[in-house]
Amino acid sequence: DAKTTQPTSMDCAEGRAANLPCNHSTISGNEYVYWYRQIHSQGPQYIIHGLKNNETNEMASLIITEDRKSSTLILPHATLRDTAVYYCIVRSYGQNFVFGPGTRLSVLP
Amino acid sequence: DTGVSQNPRHKITKRGQNVTFRCDPISEHNRLYWYRQTLGQGPEFLTYFQNEAQLEKSRLLSDRFSAERPKGSFSTLEIQRTEQGDSAMYLCASSLAGDQETQYFGPGTRLLVL
Repeated sequence: DAKTTQPTSMDCAEGRAANLPCNHSTISGNEYVYWYRQIHSQGPQYIIHGLKNNETNEMASLIITEDRKSSTLILPHATLRDTAVYYCIVRSYGQNFVFGPGTRLSVLP
Repeated sequence: DTGVSQNPRHKITKRGQNVTFRCDPISEHNRLYWYRQTLGQGPEFLTYFQNEAQLEKSRLLSDRFSAERPKGSFSTLEIQRTEQGDSAMYLCASSLAGDQETQYFGPGTRLLVL
């Protein structure tokens, strides 16, 4: 079973920031938080991952709370092409990636 | 394009037939994964290889399923005597082993069993 819980769906206005929450209250010290997304009929696409510190790359920012029990993926300026299912996964070395149902993000014009 | 590739992209077959899918990973990646995804669900792990060795198989991988990675490069997934319940998207991913392992996925093969 997935070790994370995410809202089933979210809407975001085009051009606004999309903030996708993820709860991982049972995360252990050596588990990383990963985010992937899947655009309709395509394979999942890696977005970002982190352990303790906040991370940013060209796609998104990952904010992890100090107690590491939750995180937020931020898409700073959402576009229609960001409409997808977003998966939050926690994983440590030697563990498989376990995907839950994710959050379906709809970016609205 | 140096990403993960999968062939065919779509396959329609009749129940009882055998099908084979191919995955070509990113060239320097030593790990290769197979997943299955049904409508509305996230990908489910089936099996993975490190180089040519198959290190883990999910209980989802019935006896009708077999995967190979003979030279540690491309991999094939064969389903024998297909059933309608095998209809799904079959995804391949590759990675470099390590504590910050990141899997990169291919576009998938969509199988429809009639």
